[in-house]
Amino acid sequence: QVQLVESGGGLVKPGGSLRLSCAASGFTFSDYYMSWIRQAPGKGLEWVSYISSSGSTIYYADSVKGRFTLSRDNAKNSLYLQMNSLRAEDTAVYYCARRTGAGNFDSWGQGTLVTVSS
Amino acid sequence: SYELTQPPSVSVSPGQTASITCSGDKLGDKFACWYQQKAGQSPVLIIHQDSKRPSGIPERFSGSNSGNTATLTISGTQAMDEADYYCQAWDSSTVVFGGGTKLTVL
Repeated sequence: QVQLVESGGGLVKPGGSLRLSCAASGFTFSDYYMSWIRQAPGKGLEWVSYISSSGSTIYYADSVKGRFTLSRDNAKNSLYLQMNSLRAEDTAVYYCARRTGAGNFDSWGQGTLVTVSS
Repeated sequence: SYELTQPPSVSVSPGQTASITCSGDKLGDKFACWYQQKAGQSPVLIIHQDSKRPSGIPERFSGSNSGNTATLTISGTQAMDEADYYCQAWDSSTVVFGGGTKLTVL
C-alpha cells in the first residue's frame, strides 16, 4: 500500500535551516506530482509547495517563496524540502502528500514537526 | 489571492444530516475536494472532483459544487464523523485550502 514517511523535523532557531525528507513506497513515485502541506499548531492546512513528476516544474506558496526549495530524487523515491531563513511562523507539522491527476491529495504521511524558536 | 471560506463550526445530532459549506469566487467553475482530519491524525481525502468518493469512504458522505459554493453533506451522521473538515481547490497553479470546519456530533 501507499506509504509516505517524513523525517527531518526538529527544533531550530530563527534564521536557521532544516531539510525535510519524505520516503515513498507502494507506488511508482516517478509517476506522481508531490507536495508539502503544513499545519501550524491548532490551525488549518496550508499548502507549501509542489513538484511535478519529473521535477521540472515547482510552485511555492508566497509565504515560503525564496526561502524554501523543493526537490525530488526519483531513483531514491524521495522528496525533499530545504528550509532556510526559518521564522517562528514556519512552526508547523509538515505533511508530505501525493497529488492525483485530478488535483487532490489522496495519500498523506504522518507528518514531521518543525519548531522555530530561540 | 483566491480564498475559500468555511464556517468555523457545525453541530449535528447523531443520525441527522450535516452540511458544511465552502465558498469562493466562481468555485463552481473549479473542482472542489474535501478532507477529513480527526484529532491527532493526518487528513484523509473523502470527496474529490466535487462529488466523487474514493474507495473505502462511506456512502453517507456526498458533495456538490455550484455557483460560488461547494457543499459537503454527511447523511445519518455518526459519532465517528466528529472531526475537522477542509475544502480544497486550485487557482492559477496554486493550491488553496479553506480554513476548516469543526464538526461536533452531540
